[in-house]
Amino acid sequence: KAGVTQTPRYLIKTRGQQVTLSCSPISGHRSVSWYQQTPGQGLQFLFEYFSETQRNKGNFPGRFSGRQFSNSRSEMNVSTLELGDSALYLCASSLSNPGQGSYNEQFFGPGTRLTVL
Amino acid sequence: EDKVVQSPLSLVVHEGDTVTLNCSYEVTNFRSLLWYKQEKKAPTFLFMLTSSGIEKKSGRLSSILDKKELFSILNITATQTGDSAVYLCAAAEDSNYQLIWGAGTKLIIKP
Repeated sequence: KAGVTQTPRYLIKTRGQQVTLSCSPISGHRSVSWYQQTPGQGLQFLFEYFSETQRNKGNFPGRFSGRQFSNSRSEMNVSTLELGDSALYLCASSLSNPGQGSYNEQFFGPGTRLTVL
Repeated sequence: EDKVVQSPLSLVVHEGDTVTLNCSYEVTNFRSLLWYKQEKKAPTFLFMLTSSGIEKKSGRLSSILDKKELFSILNITATQTGDSAVYLCAAAEDSNYQLIWGAGTKLIIKP
């Protein structure tokens, strides 16, 4: 079974630009979560999508947005980039059945390293 | 506010030593505690703990959860240089599908 894939792996942008990151979950996984990780920080939760609906959102400004498509692939967009947005962006997929209230293990992709100059 | 705190933040030991990493949590409607290992890129899953007092083992790694005192420990025996990594723990709530992450413990194993 193929793992979680993220594209691109590396990205360099300048302040004020916008960026779109893509994540393809493991086949059959319907939940996709996005995280930001900066040096010395743990994983900062951005948002989680399930069946094309955003179920949870972290404490990030509105410049960070996302969406999920019918095939469970997800995209994350950051507009008006700031220097502080430089980070590793990780996505993770899981089965996550909401009806049963169960939590399933998350599988992470390799991440997209975003550098804002 | 829900939170997960890991200690120590960093640890340097010699190969062959045994280490214990700590993770305490304050989470409403707690369901389970997860441990991940992050080397260079993506975190990889180690354990999920749901029941108190039941140890989970995988080779030289083991972990246990104490739901009364709200903490978990991850033990690594006979450490090897390949164990060098950041170890992350996260708590899962029963009412939503978000994991609450600790900041991680950076473990360095010296030969």
